[in-house]
Amino acid sequence: EAGVAQSPRYKIIEKRQSVAFWCNPISGHATLYWYQQILGQGPKLLIQFQNNGVVDDSQLPKDRFSAERLKGVDSTLKIQPAKLEDSAVYLCASSFRGGRGTGELFFGEGSRLTVL
Amino acid sequence: KQEVTQIPAALSVPEGENLVLNCSFTDSAIYNLQWFRQDPGKGLTSLLLIQSSQREQTSGRLNASLDKSSGRSTLYIAASQPGDSATYLCAVDSNYQLIWGAGTKLIIKP
Repeated sequence: EAGVAQSPRYKIIEKRQSVAFWCNPISGHATLYWYQQILGQGPKLLIQFQNNGVVDDSQLPKDRFSAERLKGVDSTLKIQPAKLEDSAVYLCASSFRGGRGTGELFFGEGSRLTVL
Repeated sequence: KQEVTQIPAALSVPEGENLVLNCSFTDSAIYNLQWFRQDPGKGLTSLLLIQSSQREQTSGRLNASLDKSSGRSTLYIAASQPGDSATYLCAVDSNYQLIWGAGTKLIIKP
């Protein structure tokens, strides 16, 4: 079974530039999550999709971050314009979520962003 | 508001020792608790998921326990190996949200 795919693995940009990250979840997983992880900290949820609807985006900085999940499968996370404090690893995860609770989460390898 | 704490932040032990990692949470109204492993530069790998109705889960050399009343979970690693070196994070499913600890960085010395 293929895992969660993310690209690119690494990205270096100048502040005020834009960047986009892509995620392909495990086939059949209805729930998709984007997390931001700063070194030495636990992941911080940016946005959670259930199929192609947004369940939680309360911690997404909407003035610069946007995300979409077309047709309830792939997802793209965009940052425009980037700030220095956006330097982090962006993790995508998916879960089946057939009942109550989040269910077991499966993560991709992450996209490491460095903003100069 | 649910808060999750993992102490210590880092731990270094000789190979072969049994060890315990701790996770504490403030609100006992949880649906499940998950333990994850993160290797440097990698994503997270799910190790064990304990439902709120369960007391423990086992997978190989790993055993996770859950005591909701005291707000604690422990991850027991038996006969530690250098390959166990990683950061271990716990996450509590509370109100359909995962609340994360900051992790314990474990180093197993050969």
